[in-house]
Amino acid sequence: DAGITQSPRHKVTETGTPVTLRCHQTENHRYMYWYRQDPGHGLRLIHYSYGVKDTDKGEVSDGYSVSRSKTEDFLLTLESATSSQTSVYFCAISESPEGSPLHFGNGTRLTVT
Amino acid sequence: SQQGEEDPQALSIQEGENATMNCSYKTSINNLQWYRQNSGRGLVHLILIRSNEREKHSGRLRVTLDTSKKSSSLLITASRAADTASYFCATVGRDNFNKFYFGSGTKLNVKP
Repeated sequence: DAGITQSPRHKVTETGTPVTLRCHQTENHRYMYWYRQDPGHGLRLIHYSYGVKDTDKGEVSDGYSVSRSKTEDFLLTLESATSSQTSVYFCAISESPEGSPLHFGNGTRLTVT
Repeated sequence: SQQGEEDPQALSIQEGENATMNCSYKTSINNLQWYRQNSGRGLVHLILIRSNEREKHSGRLRVTLDTSKKSSSLLITASRAADTASYFCATVGRDNFNKFYFGSGTKLNVKP
């Protein structure tokens, strides 16, 4: 398996609190992605990064921010968590979307009460 | 959105039968990929097919791509109970190839 670690694996938080999810890779891949997975919606792209300090929005970026200060770490922050952000969050990495697949972490299950 | 859509949403077959899943997408692509997800786990890449390819094989998997119809199919031959999982297609756009867009998946149940 590609070296991708997501932390925490599970988190329960209250509405209105900030939450940061971490993705750490040991593959030195340029591209990193955050997805959320909800029943009936498949995986939806939140934000992605194409290099250190280079990020862009995905389909469902409202309420989320990201940072990538070094190649191996990609942080996803929910500034003020809402119940609609209860989901399973997956980090993924790729050498190059043009010809290389995504490698996924095992996910973070976030519950906002 | 160029998000792919899989069909059917769910499929139940007997062990030994073939399973076919379809994916349709909306915009021109650079490549299309198929992934598998076992319950509670991250997705695992199965096969990648480029826009200039029509068919690819990998073991018991066969993927076809019809860019004129903007559709792809995944065939799993001689299915096994261990193939029980959800299967997703993902597209990478021709004009913006930084992003992978996923469909909502097909849930396959292979009965022993």
